[in-house]
Parts: sequence; structure tokens; C-alpha cells
Amino acid sequence: GENVEQHPSTLSVQEGDSAVIKCTYSDSASNYFPWYKQELGKRPQLIIDIRSNVGEKKDQRIAVTLNKTAKHFSLHITETQPEDSAVYFCAARGMDTGRRALTFGSGTRLQVQP
Amino acid sequence: SQTIHQWPATLVQPVGSPLSLECTVEGTSNPNLYWYRQAAGRGLQLLFYSVGIGQISSEVPQNLSASRPQDRQFILSSKKLLLSDSGFYLCAWSSQGGNTIYFGEGSWLTVV
Repeated sequence: GENVEQHPSTLSVQEGDSAVIKCTYSDSASNYFPWYKQELGKRPQLIIDIRSNVGEKKDQRIAVTLNKTAKHFSLHITETQPEDSAVYFCAARGMDTGRRALTFGSGTRLQVQP
Repeated sequence: SQTIHQWPATLVQPVGSPLSLECTVEGTSNPNLYWYRQAAGRGLQLLFYSVGIGQISSEVPQNLSASRPQDRQFILSSKKLLLSDSGFYLCAWSSQGGNTIYFGEGSWLTVV
């Protein structure tokens, strides 16, 4: 099955700096890669996603890049703000028949220092 | 619009007691349904998923079970809870053929 590795586990940046979180996946047939943000005690919420036919996608201050050859994808947050502080999860979906479930990375705790 | 609800929101149960967490989805039909567990400070582990009524797939061996008695209802159960069952349980759904998975509010379970 799919295996997703995520780094770093914790990340502290100054307000206004950029933050980068990286993930690798194992199943070369995976075709969907979302990123979720989870605030303390809350449910994870989708912030951006990318499909395997696209190399980069941007939405205001966040962007995701995908390198299918290397099987890795990254989340980039620019001009970080204190409200960006949360745990971020990457995920990938393999191509197992009938299995639409996502495999998640272990999460990155981002702290933006004001 | 589609909504997902799960309950109870918090639960404190003694070791060896039973468990029942319930999840319902509104505003869609024939969704894919999922149960994930998140241990304290950890990632999201898939426990069960279902593509239809009565169709349950288990990802990891454990003392938990899942059932889908109706199209938009998903139940997580245990006959005898273990301390290691403590965690944040998240129900989720996606549309058939859809990519995005949407999570419920979550249920905090503490086994004492």
C-alpha cells in the first residue's frame, strides 16, 4: 500500500517568513495529493490539493509543487501570519481498486512567531 | 450542501466497557465513508472505509469494528475498550469518484 513520509515534524518561523513542508510517497500510481490544516482540537480542513497531471498550484499565499519522477510534493506558505500556526498534513491516494481513502503523513506542527 | 455530523463529541470510558460512535452525512447519497484515528500529537490512521451499505474494509487489526446500516450512517464500535484506544476519532466522507475527503468534528475518547 501507499506510504507517505512528511518532514519536518516541527517548524518555527518568524512572522512574514516563508515555510516549506515536504512529503514523499511510495506508490508511483498515486494521482491525488491534498494538504490539510488542523488547528488545535479541531477537524482537519483541506487547504489546497494537486493532481498528478499538474506540477504546481497556487492559492494566494499557499502553493503546492509536485515532482512525480522523484515522488515528492511540497507545501509552500509565504508571508506567514500567526493564524497560520497549526498542524499540517500531507496525503496521497493510491490506485487500489475501490479504495478512495487517503494515506496521511505524520504531520508538521508549524508555529509562526509574531 | 453536504454536512457530516458525529457524536458524541467527548467520551470518557473505563477499560473493558463498550463503545459506539456514530456518524451521519446529509445532502449526498452513496458516499464513501471513513473512520480515522488520531493519537495525541500523532498523524491520521485509517481504521475503516466503506463504499456502500454493508461493505466495510478494515485497514488495521484491532478490537474495533465498523458498521454501515444505512447509506449515510457509519458506526464505530468496540465490545471492550483498551487504554490504547484513547484518541481523537474522525469520521469522514467523499463522493463516489470524488477526490476530496471531508472530516466530521471528531470525537475525543479517553479510556481510563
